[in-house]
This record gives sequence, structure tokens and C-alpha cells, in this order.
Amino acid sequence: EAGVVQSPRYKIIEKKQPVAFWCNPISGHNTLYWYLQNLGQGPELLIRYENEEAVDDSQLPKDRFSAERLKGVDSTLKIQPAELGDSAVYLCASSLEGRPTDTQYFGPGTRLTVL
Amino acid sequence: KQEVTQIPAALSVPEGENLVLNCSFTDSAIYNLQWFRQDPGKGLTSLLLIQSSQREQTSGRLNASLDKSSGRSTLYIAASQPGDSATYLCAVKDFNKFYFGSGTKLNVKP
Repeated sequence: EAGVVQSPRYKIIEKKQPVAFWCNPISGHNTLYWYLQNLGQGPELLIRYENEEAVDDSQLPKDRFSAERLKGVDSTLKIQPAELGDSAVYLCASSLEGRPTDTQYFGPGTRLTVL
Repeated sequence: KQEVTQIPAALSVPEGENLVLNCSFTDSAIYNLQWFRQDPGKGLTSLLLIQSSQREQTSGRLNASLDKSSGRSTLYIAASQPGDSATYLCAVKDFNKFYFGSGTKLNVKP
């Protein structure tokens, strides 16, 4: 079974440029999560989807961040414009139905460097 | 808001040693607690998941315990090996949100 796929794995951009990350969850997983992980810290939730619906985006900086999950499968996270402080690893995870007992499966992440 | 703390932040041990990693959380109203492993430049891999009604889970050389009332969990690694070197994170789940600790970076020396 294929795991959570993310691309690109690495991205280097100049500040004020836009950037987008893509995630393909495990087949059949209805719930998808985007996390931000700063160096030496644990992941912090940005947004959670149940199918196509964003059910928790309270931690997403909506002035510059946006996300979508068309057709309830793949998802894209966008930053526009990027700032120096956005340099971090962006992790995508999925779970079967988002029930409290479900475990999350993580992708390898996208490491973003903003210069 | 749930806060998760992991102690120590880093640990270096010789191969073969048994070790304990600690995780504490502030709100005992959790659904489950999960231990993850993260290798450099990679995502998180689930090691053990303990439901709120359970006290411990075991997988091979790993044993995780949960004491909800005191807000503590431990991850016990028996007979450590160099391949165990990684960062270990614990995460508690309340309904549908995970709260992660900052991790313990483990180095097992040959």
C-alpha cells in the first residue's frame, strides 16, 4: 500500500514569491491534515479536512495561506506571498475516517526555505 | 489548550542500554496518546498508540505506558541499538486534534 505522497520534497524561494505544496493521501482515507513543523519542534496543525470540507482551519494564517482539497482526495497548500518566517517543513497526514481512535499516517514533508 | 512536554530533549546512550523517554500533558481528557519516530529529513512513523482506556502497549522492544490521571506517558526501549537513533515524539489526541511534544532526540552509540 502506498503511503502519503508529498511534492516537492524541497523548495527554495525568494521572499514575497508564491509557493504551493501537493499531497496525495493514502487511498480511502477521508481525513487529511496539513501540519507545519519548525526545527526542533513538534508538528502544529494548520488545517484538517474531512472529505472536501475544511473542518478545522483555526490555525491557518488566512491572510497568506490557502488550501484546497478538490474531490476529497489530493490537497494543495499555498502560501502567497511567502515570508522569511515561513521557512519550515510542511507535513501532510491522513487517517481513515478521522475518528478519535484512528492513527495518522504522515508523508515525508516538504522543506521550504525562504531567502 | 493542551500542552505536551517531553523530557529529556536529547539523550545519548551506549548500545545495549535500556532507556525511558518521558511525555507529560496538561489535560487528562484525551482520546489516545501516540508515540512517533522521526528520522532526519523524513516524516513521522507511528510506533505505538494507546487508547485512553488502556494502560500500555507493546511492540517488540518498545513498551509505552499511559497514566491519564497524572498526565504522563513513558516509552521504554529495551536493548537499544544504533538503528534506534532518531527523534521520538509523543502526541495526545483530544477528539480530532493532535498536540505534539517537541521530541526527544536519541543517539545510540555503537
